[in-house]
Amino acid sequence: SQQGEEDPQALSIQEGENATMNCSYKTSINNLQWYRQNSGRGLVHLILIRSNEREKHSGRLRVTLDTSKKSSSLLITASRAADTASYFCASNSFYSGGGADGLTFGKGTHLIIQP
Amino acid sequence: EPEVTQTPSHQVTQMGQEVILRCVPISNHLYFYWYRQILGQKVEFLVSFYNNEISEKSEIFDDQFSVERPDGSNFTLKIRSTKLEDSAMYFCASGGTGLYNEQFFGPGTRLTVL
Repeated sequence: SQQGEEDPQALSIQEGENATMNCSYKTSINNLQWYRQNSGRGLVHLILIRSNEREKHSGRLRVTLDTSKKSSSLLITASRAADTASYFCASNSFYSGGGADGLTFGKGTHLIIQP
Repeated sequence: EPEVTQTPSHQVTQMGQEVILRCVPISNHLYFYWYRQILGQKVEFLVSFYNNEISEKSEIFDDQFSVERPDGSNFTLKIRSTKLEDSAMYFCASGGTGLYNEQFFGPGTRLTVL
């Protein structure tokens, strides 16, 4: 699989439940970022986790990173209808020098929150 | 909260025409990027720009594409002779400083080539 592959591809849950999305990548990374995209709209930056971090929280979001397994997960707790969107992980290569790196995106997980 | 802006939101053009997509990055950011997303596909990196020059570009970013920061605030992407397959959403992004660079995206320009 390519750098930044999310699973599941689609996830439908009831409002109030927790949603977990996973991302795997192939090469060593400098950091990994999660984004949200509402249908036909721009990408909203959610959270960045550095390669030397294992877990990070932001509001109802919890991101984990396991560099030994080359994987990350995004947990959204107490989901709301407004969380319905596509979620992408994106990473840049550990070896390529930092700030100017382009991100490699996965195909995304389409999350549907049923009211 | 500062944000990246892009104009126009939607551009329709004829095949072979030149288009310029415009972006205003977040004002204190130093790194600028263009990405594209063909309908139903992944977001793909095109080019990054730092210190008034291209830092990195993907294989998509061929001679038909160019970028410019003409006046210290705007950041433009030019496609010289558009093709049907250039139809996509084009996103501009900007990032601050340092090694761990969060990239903040604009709302995108939907380019339709007829």
